[in-house]
Amino acid sequence: DGGITQSPKYLFRKEGQNVTLSCEQNLNHDAMYWYRQDPGQGLRLIYYSQIVNDFQKGDIAEGYSVSREKKESFPLTVTSAQKNPTAFYLCASSGRQGLSEQYFGPGTRLTVT
Amino acid sequence: DAKTTQPPSMDCAEGRAANLPCNHSTISGNEYVYWYRQIHSQGPQYIIHGLKNNETNEMASLIITEDRKSSTLILPHATLRDTAVYYCIVRSYSGGGADGLTFGKGTHLIIQP
Repeated sequence: DGGITQSPKYLFRKEGQNVTLSCEQNLNHDAMYWYRQDPGQGLRLIYYSQIVNDFQKGDIAEGYSVSREKKESFPLTVTSAQKNPTAFYLCASSGRQGLSEQYFGPGTRLTVT
Repeated sequence: DAKTTQPPSMDCAEGRAANLPCNHSTISGNEYVYWYRQIHSQGPQYIIHGLKNNETNEMASLIITEDRKSSTLILPHATLRDTAVYYCIVRSYSGGGADGLTFGKGTHLIIQP
């Protein structure tokens, strides 16, 4: 099946540890995105990448890092510098054209204690 | 991108048409109206988008007023599975490639049996 996979679905970490969230797509999409969602809120853009080896900061990039070494993969690292890392993290992908619809993965719920 | 205003919640009886309003009074000429929905604890799902003409697909219809300052998403025969948060998003065509979406809090649509 074509789509976006995120793993794991639930992730628990201790405060002060870096953690990397996985996102893989087999839709042959050029663009990929990471969003964060807090309870009762809409999604906020963390980082996005329009092409391999290139990415841009979104609205809330502080405390996060990404890489885009392969077209299919866009991992997100939540660093210890992120003050409130507990959230629902969603990955998406789309064609590179400006109005392409975005396809979202199932999300990873990260809890940091 | 222009800001949108949506009611926080709405109820609709199963089998009836659900009409979800969205106000985007500051929309500019090159901005499109997009609708996504998010079922609880899942990734958002694209529904439909339009510029100024009414649009229909297998999921819904989008009615945009002539002055483009507001729009309505219509689910013609709502089912219990349509219970979700619906997001109205205004998005400009950057021409330079895909960028992230700006999500508000959306409308929580509850379909009543």
